[in-house]
Amino acid sequence: QTVVTQEPSFSVSPGGTVTLTCGLSSGSVSISYYPSWYQQTPGQAPRTLIFSTNTRSSGVPDRFSGSILGNKAALTITGAQADDESDYYCMLYMGSGISVFGGGTKLTVL
Amino acid sequence: EVQLVQSGAEVKKPGESLKISCKGSGYSFINYWIAWVRRMPGKGLEWMGIIYVGDSGTRYGPSFQGQVTISVDKSISTAYLHWSSLKASDSAMYYCARWGGGNYYFDYWGQGTQVTVSS
Repeated sequence: QTVVTQEPSFSVSPGGTVTLTCGLSSGSVSISYYPSWYQQTPGQAPRTLIFSTNTRSSGVPDRFSGSILGNKAALTITGAQADDESDYYCMLYMGSGISVFGGGTKLTVL
Repeated sequence: EVQLVQSGAEVKKPGESLKISCKGSGYSFINYWIAWVRRMPGKGLEWMGIIYVGDSGTRYGPSFQGQVTISVDKSISTAYLHWSSLKASDSAMYYCARWGGGNYYFDYWGQGTQVTVSS
């Protein structure tokens, strides 16, 4: 069974830039996996940030951007703010109507 | 305004059955897929399964096949997640989410339903 991999944790300084990645235990992530990214803070439902690799969801600030870097999907946050401290999840579409979440990255802003 | 409103928190005993709900409004419910996502305490999001409201066709993640049942009642724009026999390990927050059509992502989320299974 293919596993979607993410860094368990990451830290960034306020105002800094951070890139979180989303890979596969076997193979490379491409746009054909339609990578999407979600942010979840404690006690809240997930919030959709990015879909189809690099399209921002409505209302998401442009300091969040998505891309393919090498063999992984990537979420870059530019000018990190304190309220960006959250869990971030990527999701990949595997085909046949099934998707899989990565394990999530806990982002600390300090 | 698109909304997905889930049923309230549940406290159940092991072996009991449970059905939680997700009511859609503000859009054509029948033309979309609705998925269920689990978040266990201290763990990440897990894709459980999905149903196409139009024909009730379902897909389940490997870990959830045979463990839960996803269904829908089109007449009241409501999707369901059902357990026939709960286990303590089913204790989690459950979210429903709308599948955003051809872009293969979740565009709207319910507020979540906390399920606690304890003897």
